[in-house]
Amino acid sequence: GAVVSQHPSWVICKSGTSVKIECRSLDFQATTMFWYRQFPKQSLMLMATSNEGSKATYEQGVEKDKFLINHASLTLSTLTVTSAHPEDSSFYICSASRLAGGDYNEQFFGPGTRLTVL
Amino acid sequence: GQNIDQPTEMTATEGAIVQINCTYQTSGFNGLFWYQQHAGEAPTFLSYNVLDGLEEKGRFSSFLSRSKGYSYLLLKELQMKDSASYLCAVGDSNYQLIWGAGTKLIIKP
Repeated sequence: GAVVSQHPSWVICKSGTSVKIECRSLDFQATTMFWYRQFPKQSLMLMATSNEGSKATYEQGVEKDKFLINHASLTLSTLTVTSAHPEDSSFYICSASRLAGGDYNEQFFGPGTRLTVL
Repeated sequence: GQNIDQPTEMTATEGAIVQINCTYQTSGFNGLFWYQQHAGEAPTFLSYNVLDGLEEKGRFSSFLSRSKGYSYLLLKELQMKDSASYLCAVGDSNYQLIWGAGTKLIIKP
């Protein structure tokens, strides 16, 4: 159990276009979903945290108008990179958490989406 | 502030044992996680410690000392496929994960 999927797994787009990435928890309800960005040879950088039905909480330095997050249900969150530019090229990873017992917040990761902006 | 420290890179020999250390200072503590990440892939869960002591899972073990703000991941009988980055993460008082920068482990034949 605890499988998280992401779609698409990779995408190439032209500069100025928008790209939507979906993150789904397949066999559990995720109380919280997280979006990370990872540049080559660097660690994960948390972009935002989203809870179902409420607005996402963005980390400092992440533009909320550029990276739109929608968390419509307990099993689906989407990240839209608007007006993408080459510097947005990165590996985008989502994770989902199900708080069990109040003190266990393991995050289950999706396989990631590699975005290349030409 | 919140801080997770782990070595940037380590090298070990196939068949040997390696210990990757992690020290942390966070606002609250709700467990410490170790994740493995191969290049170009998402992290995969290895272990979770919330109480002091050693948790063993096959070739991998993880140790926690909450009073010292310290953990280590021990990998035994190293295999070439263990070459990866190992990420230490701590759950803070808001149940948010604070991530270390990761330790790149290089295994040599």
